[in-house]
Amino acid sequence: AQSVTQLDSHVSVSEGTPVLLRCNYSSSYSPSLFWYVQHPNKGLQLLLKYTSAATLVKGINGFEAEFKKSETSFHLTKPSAHMSDAAEYFCVVRVNTGGFKTIFGAGTRLFVKA
Amino acid sequence: EAGVAQSPRYKIIEKRQSVAFWCNPISGHATLYWYQQILGQGPKLLIQFQNNGVVDDSQLPKDRFSAERLKGVDSTLKIQPAKLEDSAVYLCASSLVGEFTDTQYFGPGTRLTVL
Repeated sequence: AQSVTQLDSHVSVSEGTPVLLRCNYSSSYSPSLFWYVQHPNKGLQLLLKYTSAATLVKGINGFEAEFKKSETSFHLTKPSAHMSDAAEYFCVVRVNTGGFKTIFGAGTRLFVKA
Repeated sequence: EAGVAQSPRYKIIEKRQSVAFWCNPISGHATLYWYQQILGQGPKLLIQFQNNGVVDDSQLPKDRFSAERLKGVDSTLKIQPAKLEDSAVYLCASSLVGEFTDTQYFGPGTRLTVL
């Protein structure tokens, strides 16, 4: 079975400091991995995705993530947080098991302090 | 490019009533998804359509939920009868071809409150 674990339900950082949102997955199949962001009262927006090409993936708004197969991790990072980064972040795994399965993590709420 | 459209944005009903949600995907997208997002949780996939056929409905509570995409374009999700635990945001998404590497584009969602 496939699963996604976001290791922190809440993360709080100060503006201008690095951001680290952690995601671990479990899958018997080679996965595609995604990070989505959800701002209050707005739809989910894709930040970045890994689909078996380069393991370091760069996304929008300065975010990036590294796929580490040995650690089954896909952590999201940003060098310097901005107030506008405050939102809910979801790690998503998709696999082809003969059919396509999509599993969202529970989400991590990012707070950014001035 | 227009995004995924959903209506209504908000709906309040009493338990045992029926409700329907509508979704219009991005033009040309073959795959359409319905998700349920309960407060404080990540979205859960309810059903996935490829054109007008169902690809995956393994997590759809079929005794009360139904969905259709008759012409392979827009889609309707119905709940009949609603229960208190159906209170959630219902998200519609679409993707170009439905491969597991595809990016899904999400609509703004419909917030359902069941009293």
